[in-house]
Amino acid sequence: EAAVTQSPRNKVAVTGGKVTLSCNQTNNHNNMYWYRQDTGHGLRLIHYSYGAGSTEKGDIPDGYKASRPSQENFSLILELATPSQTSVYFCASGDAGNEQYFGPGTRLTVL
Amino acid sequence: AQSVTQPDARVTVSEGASLQLRCKYSYSGTPYLFWYVQYQRQGLQLLLKYYSGDPVVQGVNGFEAEFSKSDSSFHLRKASVHWSDSAVYFCAASSTGGYKVVFGSGTRLLVSP
Repeated sequence: EAAVTQSPRNKVAVTGGKVTLSCNQTNNHNNMYWYRQDTGHGLRLIHYSYGAGSTEKGDIPDGYKASRPSQENFSLILELATPSQTSVYFCASGDAGNEQYFGPGTRLTVL
Repeated sequence: AQSVTQPDARVTVSEGASLQLRCKYSYSGTPYLFWYVQYQRQGLQLLLKYYSGDPVVQGVNGFEAEFSKSDSSFHLRKASVHWSDSAVYFCAASSTGGYKVVFGSGTRLLVSP
């Protein structure tokens, strides 16, 4: 069965610190995505990738970087975390035009 | 701009009653359409999808949705809800072969006993 895993599941960070969220997929999908979910906003796309070595800006990329070192792995990096980045982050994988498979989410709190 | 609108932030229905969750999309052409469900503190799971053909598509757990091009809608229905259907439901759309999926803001469904 298709699987997307995320680590860590919960993270508390300090303002100004660096945070790396990791995602791994065993679906062999070309595309991977990072979203954040906040009450009243639904899911908002931060970055996405359509293959190893590629990253593209989504709708709200400011303050975030992404890295896709391999087909299976896609990381989201917060170089200087801020309290406004407190949220639940979801990774997903999928092929173009098709449904996406989501990870369980990472709950990030920036103090 | 491409968009998906779910006009109802919260819906409450009694167990055993029928359900309709509304979704409207704004896309050039006919997009691919999806409904996802999110249970408490979990990721999203696909309920059903529409690519083309029969406008009524069947999904898991007795859910179905109907595509309407004239109305730009993709409403989700269930004949008889169960308490375990309480969750947040997201409607989503993507262009044919596109990388990005646009999600609605979600509808929180509460099934009361």
